[in-house]
Amino acid sequence: AQKITQTQPGMFVQEKEAVTLDCTYDTSDPSYGLFWYKQPSSGEMIFLIYQGSYDQQNATEGRYSLNFQKARKSANLVISASQLGDSAMYFCAMRARSNFGNEKLTFGTGTRLTIIP
Amino acid sequence: GAGVSQTPSNKVTEKGKYVELRCDPISGHTALYWYRQSLGQGPEFLIYFQGTGAADDSGLPNDRFFAVRPEGSVSTLKIQRTERGDSAVYLCASSLTGTSGGRNTGELFFGEGSRLTVL
Repeated sequence: AQKITQTQPGMFVQEKEAVTLDCTYDTSDPSYGLFWYKQPSSGEMIFLIYQGSYDQQNATEGRYSLNFQKARKSANLVISASQLGDSAMYFCAMRARSNFGNEKLTFGTGTRLTIIP
Repeated sequence: GAGVSQTPSNKVTEKGKYVELRCDPISGHTALYWYRQSLGQGPEFLIYFQGTGAADDSGLPNDRFFAVRPEGSVSTLKIQRTERGDSAVYLCASSLTGTSGGRNTGELFFGEGSRLTVL
């Protein structure tokens, strides 16, 4: 079975500082993908960044980068130069093949990030 | 619109009533997913459709929950004899094929959810 663990229920960070959100995962599927989604108070799920299990380089998207350490089964999200608008819930998710043979996303419990002005 | 559309955005009902939640996926997306998100939690998988068929319904909590997608586009999640514990945000998502490969990451595109409150 797939499992995603986010151990930080909440974080407070000063504006303009960098922040790292932790995520570890477990799967027996050798081919998987890791996603980070942002969920503001409005409730929509916003895709931020993706890392494939066979990708050699860490993914980057603007201020977002993914610190992928395959041997440790971790996929931490790094946000550089944080902004007030970054305050939201952040979910790590893993796409892997289920026992039914289909791919599906399994989510962690999330980290609530609050940026302090 | 171009995104995933869910209706109603809010639904308040009484315990024991029947509820239907509708999802209109992105045009051309063959894969459709329903998730349930309780307060302070991450989304939990309910059911996955590939085309018209439910390819994986392992997340449905019990037989009061049922979902259909008769023409391979719009899907309806149906909840019978609602209970207070069913109160949550029900999220629908679609993806292009439901699989990943090449440059296709298998990303899911989410709607804004239907908030269900059972009194």
